[in-house]
Amino acid sequence: QVQLRESGPGLVKPSQTLSLTCDVSGVSISSGSYYWSWIRQPAGKGLEWIGRIYASGTTNYNPSLKSRINMSVDTSKNQVSLRLSSVTAADTAVYYCAREATYGLFDKWGQGSLVTVSS
Amino acid sequence: EVVLTQSPGTLSLSPGERAILSCRASQSVSSSFLGWYQQKPGQAPRVLIYGASGRATGIPDRFSGSGSGTDFTLTISRLEPEDFGVYYCQHSGSSVPVTFGQGTRLEIK
Repeated sequence: QVQLRESGPGLVKPSQTLSLTCDVSGVSISSGSYYWSWIRQPAGKGLEWIGRIYASGTTNYNPSLKSRINMSVDTSKNQVSLRLSSVTAADTAVYYCAREATYGLFDKWGQGSLVTVSS
Repeated sequence: EVVLTQSPGTLSLSPGERAILSCRASQSVSSSFLGWYQQKPGQAPRVLIYGASGRATGIPDRFSGSGSGTDFTLTISRLEPEDFGVYYCQHSGSSVPVTFGQGTRLEIK
């Protein structure tokens, strides 16, 4: 059974860097069959795609966030990571890790990790 | 960037009724890359439809998708009480970013 679990600090100060990790179980990231995406959702609002990473480390980022994003993959730990720099209150959201299958279908999601940006 | 506009914003219907949700793309897109998701409060979204009309594993056949080009529809033929939630359409193409519609809230009377 494929499971994704996000983890990281729930509170980040403005101007600092948000760091999250997604632990994947039930499938090997190294299999190369999927992309691994980060998606966020501010409270009461819609979904925003942040970016994706492939097992090789190839990334695609949302142009609106590209200058602040860094994604990485650790195949030995079967996990992907997200770093978002220079955060502001506008970055407060639930952050989801999701598996992206054929044709861009997000078929597996983590439970989400709430990150609040506040001093 | 493909902008997806969903309508209506909110839909309030009774169990047994039919729900029709619309998703309009700002430019013609491949149906292969159009999906629909359901999200309930406090939960992650779950995929309902892929490739505009394919039902994801475990999704009841009362859910169906259709459309092409710029206009896509999600139809729930006979609403069940558990169908309440917010529905999003999503497009992933050869270029970034992946985009989502703003959502349609389905309320069960």
